[in-house]
Amino acid sequence: AAGVIQSPRHLIKEKRETATLKCYPIPRHDTVYWYQQGPGQDPQFLISFYEKMQSDKGSIPDRFSAQQFSDYHSELNMSSLELGDSALYFCASSFPGGYNEQFFGPGTRLTVL
Amino acid sequence: KQEVTQIPAALSVPEGENLVLNCSFTDSAIYNLQWFRQDPGKGLTSLLLIQSSQREQTSGRLNASLDKSSGRSTLYIAASQPGDSATYLCAVRMDSSYKLIFGSGTRLLVRP
Repeated sequence: AAGVIQSPRHLIKEKRETATLKCYPIPRHDTVYWYQQGPGQDPQFLISFYEKMQSDKGSIPDRFSAQQFSDYHSELNMSSLELGDSALYFCASSFPGGYNEQFFGPGTRLTVL
Repeated sequence: KQEVTQIPAALSVPEGENLVLNCSFTDSAIYNLQWFRQDPGKGLTSLLLIQSSQREQTSGRLNASLDKSSGRSTLYIAASQPGDSATYLCAVRMDSSYKLIFGSGTRLLVRP
């Protein structure tokens, strides 16, 4: 079965650089979610989109922005990277409606040097 | 503010044992609850989803229960195997939100 695809899987950046993470949801899923998991921590919600509109917002820094495109893929843009941004970034997708189980991708491991 | 707690933080059992992982939440206005498995440095695999109106869900050797009024869920693993070794996370979705709020997980080791 098709799963959530994230690219790249690994990314190394210098401080103050920018990074773009991409997420391709499971076919026919129109809702995407972004989570950040720091070392030894539980995942923290960043932002979500439903039908290309922002549906919910969590503890996402102002330096980060995201959008969902017409084909439902989503991109997380991160600017002025800081050492503390080093983490695993997960994208998840779901159907809307009652049984909206969230399915997670393999994650992008971002390392900021 | 919703808080999700998982007890114990770590658990080591011999192969073949039945075991129970606990998850509690402070605000009962949840929409649903999901149990996940995470291997070190890997993604989250969804194990079971329980809607707020349901009492339990089963998948193979896994059974999850939900007592919304008391703010508790349990994940029962029957006949544990070394391959079950992983971190198990529970997460709740509130009525008014799209996001999942995670517990800190239970790190399970099943010894051969």
